Amino acid sequence: EPEVTQTPSHQVTQMGQEVILRCVPISNHLYFYWYRQILGQKVEFLVSFYNNEISEKSEIFDDQFSVERPDGSNFTLKIRSTKLEDSAMYFCASRDSPNEKLFFGSGTQLSVL
Amino acid sequence: RKEVEQDPGPFNVPEGATVAFNCTYSNSASQSFFWYRQDCRKEPKLLMSVYSSGNEDGRFTAQLNRASQYISLLIRDSKLSDSATYLCASPFSGGYNKLIFGAGTRLAVHP
Repeated sequence: EPEVTQTPSHQVTQMGQEVILRCVPISNHLYFYWYRQILGQKVEFLVSFYNNEISEKSEIFDDQFSVERPDGSNFTLKIRSTKLEDSAMYFCASRDSPNEKLFFGSGTQLSVL
Repeated sequence: RKEVEQDPGPFNVPEGATVAFNCTYSNSASQSFFWYRQDCRKEPKLLMSVYSSGNEDGRFTAQLNRASQYISLLIRDSKLSDSATYLCASPFSGGYNKLIFGAGTRLAVHP
């Protein structure tokens, strides 16, 4: 079964450093998403991406965050200057149409020290 | 009203029990709903989609009540392996229907 893949599975960084989280969505999918989940809390929407541009973003997704689809397969989330409160599990997700189910990657656990 | 609201639980039930969770949603225009299962520190995995009145898959049944704006998940003959957090998801109003998740309901099935 096709799956969304994310790398790395764990990322440890110092506060103020830049991190890039990588995702390879399912190949025929057109809608891409990043969610995050702080330990013990709910899965929160960050951003959606369609047709090579951001279609929607939450208030969490401020100027420190950016997304990119640099080629036909990768979808990245960049955090420019990490803060302690960015520590969370980050999930990438994709789907082939806006009303269909989301498929999630296994996540990147980001720890900011 | 929160976009998607769930009873956090935990629901502690013995093996073989039947258990039901409810989830309320605020977007009355939503056409599709989803139940996901999440194990500790893992990604959400789709359990069931609910597009109309309901859906059944083996021991799992999902129902939709549009008048009262809630969906339910019924698990029959609970197994130890059903222990997990169950997330309800509903599209938020908008052109690209981002999915909004509830905080989840924890289920613990004991021998």
